[in-house]
Amino acid sequence: DAGVIQSPRHEVTEMGQEVTLRCKPISGHNSLFWYRQTMMRGLELLIYFNNNVPIDDSGMPEDRFSAKMPNASFSTLKIQPSEPRDSAVYFCASSESNRGGNEKLFFGSGTQLSVL
Amino acid sequence: DAKTTQPPSMDCAEGRAANLPCNHSTISGNEYVYWYRQIHSQGPQYIIHGLKNNETNEMASLIITEDRKSSTLILPHATLRDTAVYYCIVRVRNYGQNFVFGPGTRLSVLP
Repeated sequence: DAGVIQSPRHEVTEMGQEVTLRCKPISGHNSLFWYRQTMMRGLELLIYFNNNVPIDDSGMPEDRFSAKMPNASFSTLKIQPSEPRDSAVYFCASSESNRGGNEKLFFGSGTQLSVL
Repeated sequence: DAKTTQPPSMDCAEGRAANLPCNHSTISGNEYVYWYRQIHSQGPQYIIHGLKNNETNEMASLIITEDRKSSTLILPHATLRDTAVYYCIVRVRNYGQNFVFGPGTRLSVLP
């Protein structure tokens, strides 16, 4: 398996522009997570989906952020309009969620976002 | 809300065992202990997890105290490639619970 695939790897944009980050989870995984990492705040969970349904979006910073999962093999995280403080590395992760407790997160390589 | 406490940094000599401690004194009976690591600029990588018993895999060993209030991750023969930030996470067993990452321990393996 190719693992969790994120695109783009790097994104540089100007303040006010729309940014869309993409994620393809591992085939067969039914949970998907979006994290953001900065030096100041570390790794923060933004939102996670189970069976394509958003379960907890309490980590989404504000209405400028939105996430969708139209099917089991694709998710997007959109920022509109973007601001310099959104500059961070955004990670997508997926897992095979079950009630057995043996859930393991697999992370993508991340998208380095720079908003100028 | 952080449920775990880890030292911010540690050093280890190459070839020696690296023992990374984690305190989780408020852990409940249905919470697993997970360890992940993040090598610079990469996504976090799963290492190992356990509930009560000690666990071992090809990467590391996990020692959980009998009262489950603390644990130790052991890298038996640390290499330079093990230099990374190591995260200890406690997580409820039921599905749908998220993984909350604290600041972790920055392990430096020295030649």
